[in-house]
Amino acid sequence: SQTIHQWPATLVQPVGSPLSLECTVEGTSNPNLYWYRQAAGRGLQLLFYSVGIGQISSEVPQNLSASRPQDRQFILSSKKLLLSDSGFYLCAWSLGTFYPETQYFGPGTRLLVL
Amino acid sequence: AQSVTQLGSHVSVSEGALVLLRCNYSSSVPPYLFWYVQYPNQGLQLLLKYTSAATLVKGINGFEAEFKKSETSFHLTKPSAHMSDAAEYFCAVAPFNFGNEKLTFGTGTRLTIIP
Repeated sequence: SQTIHQWPATLVQPVGSPLSLECTVEGTSNPNLYWYRQAAGRGLQLLFYSVGIGQISSEVPQNLSASRPQDRQFILSSKKLLLSDSGFYLCAWSLGTFYPETQYFGPGTRLLVL
Repeated sequence: AQSVTQLGSHVSVSEGALVLLRCNYSSSVPPYLFWYVQYPNQGLQLLLKYTSAATLVKGINGFEAEFKKSETSFHLTKPSAHMSDAAEYFCAVAPFNFGNEKLTFGTGTRLTIIP
């Protein structure tokens, strides 16, 4: 069966510090991968998605970036965090082999920028 | 572009009472629709999805939703609420055109169950 991992689970970072959040999927090959941010009262905002290694699409221009160095690894990064980057970050995957796809979510990372 | 609106950011129901969570969609083409549930400090879990087969869709944990094109709605219901249903619920829409696999989520409805 497929599982999705995210770490760290919780992170407190000062403004201006770098960020690296990691997401890995097990039990499947060539998944579509997604990064979402969930801010209080604002639902889920799609940040990035990837259909393959090195293929990243950005949905929202901001100071975040994403990379996919391996088939089942998706990394969310920032060089300098802003207060507004605080939130709950969710990674998700889908098979991408049929439509409409179901997305499966990881447990999330709660980021607090102080 | 497609979108969904969830009416009521907070809904409270008594244990054993009917649960009704509202979702209205806006789409220029027939959409696919989803309901996800999020328990505290966890990721989202799929409850059910509408893929243009049956208009009444049954999901996990006793939930169901009915697609009503005339009302552009996809409301989520459960006949009898249980304490374990307390969570946040998200409606999501995907466009009909094949190849676009991005979901658009609503802002969520937090469901509280009163003992």
